[in-house]
Amino acid sequence: ELKVEQNPLFLSMQEGKNYTIYCNYSTTSDRLYWYRQDPGKSLESLFVLLSNGAVKQEGRLMASLDTKARLSTLHITAAVHDLSATYFCAGNTGKLIFGQGTTLQVKP
Amino acid sequence: DADVTQTPRNRITKTGKRIMLECSQTKGHDRMYWYRQDPGLGLQLIYYSFDVKDINKGEISDGYSVSRQAQAKFSLSLESAIPNQTALYFCATSDPGSPTETQYFGPGTRLLVL
Repeated sequence: ELKVEQNPLFLSMQEGKNYTIYCNYSTTSDRLYWYRQDPGKSLESLFVLLSNGAVKQEGRLMASLDTKARLSTLHITAAVHDLSATYFCAGNTGKLIFGQGTTLQVKP
Repeated sequence: DADVTQTPRNRITKTGKRIMLECSQTKGHDRMYWYRQDPGLGLQLIYYSFDVKDINKGEISDGYSVSRQAQAKFSLSLESAIPNQTALYFCATSDPGSPTETQYFGPGTRLLVL
């Protein structure tokens, strides 16, 4: 049974700083997803990683996948306040299994 | 217009009442899902449907039932609501024919059971 764990669960950072969110998963997952959720809102798809070594970038966010280590990372470069949100990773075994989410707070 | 819509958006009900949450989509996707989200937690899968005749239980189906009335409509019912079913409920859809099979989420229904 696939289990997905994220860390940290809460991250407070200053604008302009870099940081990484980690997503570990327990068994084979044929895809790895990253979603963003603003408070009280729905989930927005950010990235889908399909294979080992995959890297996707959008603005200040970059996601990568290492299937051998069963690890995906979401790297934030030069954080800005607009990136404040909760970020979820999810593995796929025919249905999505979500991590607990990482709440990111970017302070001016 | 939104691709995935949910009604109602907010609902307050009393313990023991039967309620139905509805989901409609215009994306033409075969697969539909119901999740619940509790504060500070990720999403848990309640039920999913790969087509109109294929409905499956998720991780936390007890106390819930679903109906797939058409490709575009998937309803979630709470037969006898209880307070610990207070949560944010999301519907989602996906296309199994796409390379990524990304799930697209509706805006959510906030349910309070008194």
